[in-house]
Amino acid sequence: AQSVTQLDSHVSVSEGTPVLLRCNYSSSYSPSLFWYVQHPNKGLQLLLKYTSAATLVKGINGFEAEFKKSETSFHLTKPSAHMSDAAEYFCVVTHQAGTALIFGKGTTLSVSS
Amino acid sequence: KAGVTQTPRYLIKTRGQQVTLSCSPISGHRSVSWYQQTPGQGLQFLFEYFSETQRNKGNFPGRFSGRQFSNSRSEMNVSTLELGDSALYLCASSFAGGLNTEAFFGQGTRLTVV
Repeated sequence: AQSVTQLDSHVSVSEGTPVLLRCNYSSSYSPSLFWYVQHPNKGLQLLLKYTSAATLVKGINGFEAEFKKSETSFHLTKPSAHMSDAAEYFCVVTHQAGTALIFGKGTTLSVSS
Repeated sequence: KAGVTQTPRYLIKTRGQQVTLSCSPISGHRSVSWYQQTPGQGLQFLFEYFSETQRNKGNFPGRFSGRQFSNSRSEMNVSTLELGDSALYLCASSFAGGLNTEAFFGQGTRLTVV
């Protein structure tokens, strides 16, 4: 069965400092992995996706993630946090059939000035 | 082009009633999936439809049902509402589904059961 574990429920950073949101996955097949972001009172927006091409994936707004099969990890990073990055972030793996998505519990990112 | 549209945005229902939520996918998208988001359980997959056929179903009781029309619009229905059904219900659409397909989400319907 597929699953994702987001290792931190809440991460706090200062504006201009690096961001690291950690995600481990479990899958019985070669997975597709995604990071989505949810701002308050808004829908989910795709940040980036890994689909077995390059292991380092670049997304929108300066975010990137590295797929490490040996560590079953897909951590999300950003070199310099901005106030507008404050939101809920979800690591996601696809179910083997169709477009069913399996979400992690989410990580709340707080950014202070 | 227009995004995924969910109606209504907010609903208040009484325990025991039933409710129908609607989702209009992005034009050309044939796959629609539904998710329930609660503070305790997070985001959980309900079901997915492709070309009017339910292709995948999550672990929810039979009170939760859905359907998809020929124009790809989808509805989900919850019968005999319980307090625990209070949640944000999100709809996502994609072109054809599959492992690599990006899903686009609507803003959700906030259901409150009292």
